[in-house]
Amino acid sequence: GIQVEQSPPDLILQEGANSTLRCNFSDSVNNLQWFHQNPWGQLINLFYIPSGTKQNGRLSATTVATERYSLLYISSSQTTDSGVYFCAVMATSNTGKLIFGQGTTLQVKP
Amino acid sequence: DTGVSQDPRHKITKRGQNVTFRCDPISEHNRLYWYRQTLGQGPEFLTYFQNEAQLEKSRLLSDRFSAERPKGSFSTLEIQRTEQGDSAMYLCASSKGVGYTFGSGTRLTVV
Repeated sequence: GIQVEQSPPDLILQEGANSTLRCNFSDSVNNLQWFHQNPWGQLINLFYIPSGTKQNGRLSATTVATERYSLLYISSSQTTDSGVYFCAVMATSNTGKLIFGQGTTLQVKP
Repeated sequence: DTGVSQDPRHKITKRGQNVTFRCDPISEHNRLYWYRQTLGQGPEFLTYFQNEAQLEKSRLLSDRFSAERPKGSFSTLEIQRTEQGDSAMYLCASSKGVGYTFGSGTRLTVV
């Protein structure tokens, strides 16, 4: 099955700093989503981005499908950005389920 | 509509007991998914439904696990003869198109 690798596994930032999270995947995808899991465990959908670039406030994401990676940018980080960020993909060969990476744990210090 | 609802939020059970969790998806969403998440890991796919049809089951879903979505609305996930290894967060999600919406999960602890 498709493999999803995220890097870095852990990231500590000072409030106000910028960061880039990466997601590599091993096969063609027709669905890629970024999620934020807050400290209470709730998964929040940030972006649906199988290709191209999207922006939402301080967050933006870019997926280069031909090179099988996606990037999530966080600018001017805030303590509320802390949590785990997951990339999840659906292989083109399988129209059913999203496969999640292991996540990047972000801690933003005041 | 207030999103995807899961009940209960927490469940502590003794090893060997049966447990059942419920998920109420967003009403117009025709797809419903169950995932399991253990500490420090990403969610792992268990099974999904399109309307009332169960279309795929992971090999993680042993014969002690069963899921139903009888009228294409809410779904239940039952675990029979629970084992300590079943302790995890059980997440439900629903979708109509491409974006998933997750519930808050049911945290199961088997003692």
